[in-house]
Amino acid sequence: TQLLEQSPQFLSIQEGENLTVYCNSSSVFSSLQWYRQEPGEGPVLLVTVVTGGEVKKLKRLTFQFGDARKDSSLHITAAQPGDTGLYLCAGVSNNDMRFGAGTRLTVKP
Amino acid sequence: GAGVSQSPSNKVTEKGKDVELRCDPISGHTALYWYRQSLGQGLEFLIYFQGNSAPDKSGLPSDRFSAERTGGSVSTLTIQRTQQEDSAVYLCASSFLGVGNNSPLHFGNGTRLTVT
Repeated sequence: TQLLEQSPQFLSIQEGENLTVYCNSSSVFSSLQWYRQEPGEGPVLLVTVVTGGEVKKLKRLTFQFGDARKDSSLHITAAQPGDTGLYLCAGVSNNDMRFGAGTRLTVKP
Repeated sequence: GAGVSQSPSNKVTEKGKDVELRCDPISGHTALYWYRQSLGQGLEFLIYFQGNSAPDKSGLPSDRFSAERTGGSVSTLTIQRTQQEDSAVYLCASSFLGVGNNSPLHFGNGTRLTVT
């Protein structure tokens, strides 16, 4: 059973477009992390959100943590081919971290 | 390098054989995690170590899977009598503190296991 549902599962867009991917759960998390994974490599941390309603910006990426700390979104503005990869969200509760299945993003030049 | 190192990077084995996967975490990191990633899937939690002890073994798929960590450093994941469904990428990660402290996970590049 997947505790974290990510949508969409696949997304293919043109360079310059905007996009939003979602991470939803029925569970409350103490924090939530977003990672990006490229082929043949392990995931790399992008951001950690801790407070309900928190918004964090990382250049063209905007991360939001839901007020109830059950869901999160990642918005990318003016996507570039270098943004291509698997985006994973991970919910933290106690000493437990569980990952969603990811959104596989392809940005075409 | 200062990152998490996993070996071997690729392993092909015959069904029924035992395999041992190794993880060298970042020096000084107290927590170590094993995950499994099947093709097109997310990360499936296997086991978590804090120091040398494993408070959470709930993710191990069956009693064919075991893991140990010695000296608060290197960890090995052993799969006995491998089955074809064990084929996946096995990822190891370490963090300075446990995840409850919001320590980020630092991942290795994984071991790709293929059981023929």
